[in-house]
Parts: sequence; structure tokens; C-alpha cells
Amino acid sequence: QKEVEQDPGPLSVPEGAIVSLNCTYSNSAFQYFMWYRQYSRKGPELLMYTYSSGNKEDGRFTAQVDKSSKYISLFIRDSQPSDSATYLCAMSARGDYKLSFGAGTTVTVRA
Amino acid sequence: GAVVSQHPSRVICKSGTSVKIECRSLDFQATTMFWYRQFPKQSLMLMATSNEGSKATYEQGVEKDKFLINHASLTLSTLTVTSAHPEDSSFYICSAHSGGAGMYEQYFGPGTRLTVT
Repeated sequence: QKEVEQDPGPLSVPEGAIVSLNCTYSNSAFQYFMWYRQYSRKGPELLMYTYSSGNKEDGRFTAQVDKSSKYISLFIRDSQPSDSATYLCAMSARGDYKLSFGAGTTVTVRA
Repeated sequence: GAVVSQHPSRVICKSGTSVKIECRSLDFQATTMFWYRQFPKQSLMLMATSNEGSKATYEQGVEKDKFLINHASLTLSTLTVTSAHPEDSSFYICSAHSGGAGMYEQYFGPGTRLTVT
């Protein structure tokens, strides 16, 4: 079993829809959670960084962490075609700066 | 803020030659830099962790003598692929970490596409 599980999709939604992405993890030591967006042939771009259970909002993006269930989510509101990309969840434990990544979910937002 | 650059963005080299890739943190000091390799439609695979002024720590299965990493300053790390072969063709991405207390996020460079002919 992988430490971080993420459905690779692909996920296709119409423009304006809410995109819902999630990851589960098995290592209870993970305390820091990130979501990255990666366009084709580019490096990942940090979207959200959280370390507390609960919600964190930044513009159209909301990151949700449930440490008791070992489950994190990313919601994208009012999705745009420019949101079409691969979204990677990543996490690390306290004192360990290495990241454990999910497989990435490929999202297409249809105009 | 938190910009990381990589150079070159793409390189084609002949089998048996060496290639050097540079990773720079442009607006912050990176105590730790990471080197990843990514195959098509796959997630990132960590190759090594480098701390400024010390030897890199390589992940299991990564050849130290083939992938030479130097982190000579707080803003520059280099990856040299020695005696490259076609199977080394891949997308190489670096990331940088500022090392601030409680700050675990990494900032990634744009990647370098290496093709070995």
C-alpha cells in the first residue's frame, strides 16, 4: 500500500463547476499538507499549504484537512479552462523535509 | 516571491557525454534543495536531497557516481548527469526549501527536459 493514495482520474468537468480532489494517507506522522498544480512539461506550482485540521481558503481554492480520517481535499470553485492541469497532493512529517506525493489527478475543464 | 529557476530548460546530448543542470533560488536562501525525476504521466520521484555545504543524500537505487550533486551556496545546486545514456532521458525538476521554522513547503523549478541520443 502506498503512503499517499490519490485517484489519477482523469476528471473532466464543465466550466464553472466545482472540482473536488482528494488524497488519503496512511502515515499518521504526516502533519504538513500541500497541493501543487502542474501544467504539462512544467514544474509543480504550490497552490495551498496547510498544517491544521479544518479548512483553508485562498481565492477560488479551498483546502480541507481531516487528520482523524487521514484525508485531505482540494476544492476549486468556478473552474476555468486554465485550471486544466494535473494536481498533486504532497505531505511531510515534522522534522522531515522530504515530501511524499500522491500520483496526481489530471483535470480537464471544458469550455 | 519563492521563485526557483532551472537552466537549461531542455538539453539534447550524445550518449557518453555529461550534462550539468543548474537550480537557483532567486529570492530566498535555500538551506535544502531536492532533485526529482519525472517520467511521462507519473508523479515525481525523489532522487536526492542536498544541503548547502554538505554531501547530498541519495535515495535508494539512485547511483551517486552517475548523478553528481553539488550545493555550493544557499542559492545554487547543480545536478550533473555523467556518461549519459538514452535511459537517462527524462524530465528533471529541482525544488528548494527555505528551512524556516515550521515551513515545510517546497518551491519547484520549471524543470529540465534531457534527451540523450
